[in-house]
Amino acid sequence: EADIYQTPRYLVIGTGKKITLECSQTMGHDKMYWYQQDPGMELHLIHYSYGVNSTEKGDLSSESTVSRIRTEHFPLTLESARPSHTSQYLCASSIWTDFYNEQFFGPGTRLTVL
Amino acid sequence: AQTVTQSQPEMSVQEAETVTLSCTYDTSENNYYLFWYKQPPSRQMILVIRQEAYKQQNATENRFSVNFQKAAKSFSLKISDSQLGDTAMYFCAFMKHAAYGGATNKLIFGTGTLLAVQP
Repeated sequence: EADIYQTPRYLVIGTGKKITLECSQTMGHDKMYWYQQDPGMELHLIHYSYGVNSTEKGDLSSESTVSRIRTEHFPLTLESARPSHTSQYLCASSIWTDFYNEQFFGPGTRLTVL
Repeated sequence: AQTVTQSQPEMSVQEAETVTLSCTYDTSENNYYLFWYKQPPSRQMILVIRQEAYKQQNATENRFSVNFQKAAKSFSLKISDSQLGDTAMYFCAFMKHAAYGGATNKLIFGTGTLLAVQP
């Protein structure tokens, strides 16, 4: 399995709390991604980064924010969690291979907001 | 915009038998990549197989092979000699071809097919 880690794996939290989902990779990949996955649904890209100090919003609008201060670290933050944020969040990183970026996925964080 | 459709939410197969998962996609691009990803229960998503649109030959990886029909925009996955460890959610995904430093190489996913391999 790829060397990409997410913590926590599971999080149950009350409405209004600030949370940060951690994602780290040890492969030196320059590109990193956050996907949101609802049960029985496809993954939707919510944030991506080309490298340090580079972040962009993805296709699915999200109230979360991200930062990329170090190559290996790409945390996602929700300032005030709401039940609508309940979902699984998958982090990925990629390396350039043959004109595409093969993406490696972390194990995911399953977030439940009560 | 690209879309990926997986019309089989769930499938079941007996151990050692063969199963085919369907995927169709829509795009106006001529050069792109297609992928099948496997997401086992509570485990990381991993790449199973990829196909480059400009290659006519169907990709194969051990027991996994694809039937790529570019004109029909169809990309099915065949799993031969199914094993219990194949039980997982399988996602079909699309990515545009891009020169280095170009587009984000975003993956567009289908809704997935939950495959259960029965003993």
